[in-house]
Amino acid sequence: AQSVTQLGSHVSVSEGALVLLRCNYSSSVPPYLFWYVQYPNQGLQLLLKYTTGATLVKGINGFEAEFKKSETSFHLTKPSAHMSDAAEYFCAVSDPRDDKIIFGKGTRLHILP
Amino acid sequence: DSGVTQTPKHLITATGQRVTLRCSPRSGDLSVYWYQQSLDQGLQFLIQYYNGEERAKGNILERFSAQQFPDLHSELNLSSLELGDSALYFCASSMGPNQPQHFGDGTRLSIL
Repeated sequence: AQSVTQLGSHVSVSEGALVLLRCNYSSSVPPYLFWYVQYPNQGLQLLLKYTTGATLVKGINGFEAEFKKSETSFHLTKPSAHMSDAAEYFCAVSDPRDDKIIFGKGTRLHILP
Repeated sequence: DSGVTQTPKHLITATGQRVTLRCSPRSGDLSVYWYQQSLDQGLQFLIQYYNGEERAKGNILERFSAQQFPDLHSELNLSSLELGDSALYFCASSMGPNQPQHFGDGTRLSIL
């Protein structure tokens, strides 16, 4: 069975500071990994995904994530936070053998002026 | 705009009632997924259809059912509604297995 743990249900960073959202996964097979963002009153939007190949994945809006197999982690980072980054972020894992994505409980990112 | 359309945006009803939520996937997408999002449970996968056939089931209650029609739109039917069914219900679609899912803006269901 697969699972995802997002550390910290709320994270606050100052505008211009580094954003780091943590995600650890559990999977019995090499997983596919995703980060989604949800703005208020909207659905989830894909930020980036890892399937195979390069372990550093670049996404939209300046975000990137690194797949670290030894640490079973897929943390999301952005060098400099903007006010517009305030949203809820979901890490997700899927088993390449099937089509079911398991989402973490989400981390709400607050940007301080 | 994700290209996934969900109707209605808001639904208010009473306990014991039955409602139908509708989803039109992105053009060309064959897979449709339904999720329930609530404050206490987070984002829960309910059910998935691929090209009209049920493909995977998650934490879907027996009071809930879904189907995907030949034109690929999908409906989620919720019956004998309880207060705890109040939540945001999302539909997502994708081109196929392991492709990124594109989410609609959701239907907010409130049970009074």
